[in-house]
Amino acid sequence: SQTIHQWPATLVQPVGSPLSLECTVEGTSNPNLYWYRQAAGRGLQLLFYSVGIGQISSEVPQNLSASRPQDRQFILSSKKLLLSDSGFYLCAWSQYRGGGQETQYFGPGTRLLVL
Amino acid sequence: AQSVTQLDSHVSVSEGTPVLLRCNYSSSYSPSLFWYVQHPNKGLQLLLKYTSAATLVKGINGFEAEFKKSETSFHLTKPSAHMSDAAEYFCVVSPPSGNTPLVFGKGTRLSVIA
Repeated sequence: SQTIHQWPATLVQPVGSPLSLECTVEGTSNPNLYWYRQAAGRGLQLLFYSVGIGQISSEVPQNLSASRPQDRQFILSSKKLLLSDSGFYLCAWSQYRGGGQETQYFGPGTRLLVL
Repeated sequence: AQSVTQLDSHVSVSEGTPVLLRCNYSSSYSPSLFWYVQHPNKGLQLLLKYTSAATLVKGINGFEAEFKKSETSFHLTKPSAHMSDAAEYFCVVSPPSGNTPLVFGKGTRLSVIA
């Protein structure tokens, strides 16, 4: 069966510090991968998605970046965190099968607090 | 283009009473539709999905949803609420073309009162 992992589970970082959040998927190959952010009291905001190694699409311009160095690894990074980067970060994967029947499966999330 | 509207940001019910979470969608094509649930500080869990088979879809934890094309609705229901159902619920539509992101509603927070 497929599983998705995220770490760390929680993170407290000072403003201006770098960030690296990691997401890995097991039990599948060539998944689509996604990074979402939930700010307090708001819905999900899609940040990045990837359909393959080295292929990253950005949905929202900001100081975050994403990379996919391996097929089942997706990394979210920042060189300098802002207060507004605080939130709950969710990674998700899906297996595109055509016909618009994509189902996304979510990881447990990372709670980031920037002080 | 696809869009999803969850008509209530917050719904409160008493334990043991029915639950109704409303969702309307807009889609140029026959959509795939999903409901996800998120408990506090947890990831999203798939409750159920509609993929053009039966219009009444049964999911986990006693939830079900009915796809009504004429009303462009996909409301989530449960006959009897349990305290553990208290969570945030998201209605989602999947675009018909491949490798494009899902479209999420803004969520409905369900409170269950003892």
